[in-house]
Amino acid sequence: DAGITQSPRYKITETGRQVTLMCHQTWSHSYMFWYRQDLGHGLRLIYYSAAADITDKGEVPDGYVVSRSKTENFPLTLESATRSQTSVYFCASRAGMGYNEQFFGPGTRLTVL
Amino acid sequence: RKEVEQDPGPFNVPEGATVAFNCTYSNSASQSFFWYRQDCRKEPKLLMSVYSSGNEDGRFTAQLNRASQYISLLIRDSKLSDSATYLCVVNLNDMRFGAGTRLTVKP
Repeated sequence: DAGITQSPRYKITETGRQVTLMCHQTWSHSYMFWYRQDLGHGLRLIYYSAAADITDKGEVPDGYVVSRSKTENFPLTLESATRSQTSVYFCASRAGMGYNEQFFGPGTRLTVL
Repeated sequence: RKEVEQDPGPFNVPEGATVAFNCTYSNSASQSFFWYRQDCRKEPKLLMSVYSSGNEDGRFTAQLNRASQYISLLIRDSKLSDSATYLCVVNLNDMRFGAGTRLTVKP
């Protein structure tokens, strides 16, 4: 089906482990984004990508790594997970800037023990 | 100062009430503006874009005041199904989200 998907939907891991969250979109949107959402902070941008092989830091990039070798995929890696990275992670995509709508995936709930 | 600030809420209103949400943004170069809706434990979804001339979509009216760097959302004749968190969104090079205002519409 067309749209934006994330996997896994739920993940429990331990401090220090590497975790990769996957994001896939079928619209061939140029832009893709990763956000985290925590109570009291709203959605905060971690990284974004304007096209394949182009990525930029957002508001809270520390502890995260991204790559975008293909337009449709934008994985987010936590190199050494910490408890403070327990959060809900949303991937999003949009065709362009301005008044283009941004579409969100269903989210990944990550718990770091 | 946060880039996007919203009414703290929560708003608890009876069905049929009119409710207004306000939002201010700090970067005067911001280019486009939106209201998103987020239901509990779900992803945000676009409610409406906000244009300089103001715009209306059924029971929802959005206004933008660039001089005051202020955005508003008015919901008339509230329905139970309007219960959600409303996110103010401002776009420059990327979208910046307010923390959201929770609305609960009660019978």
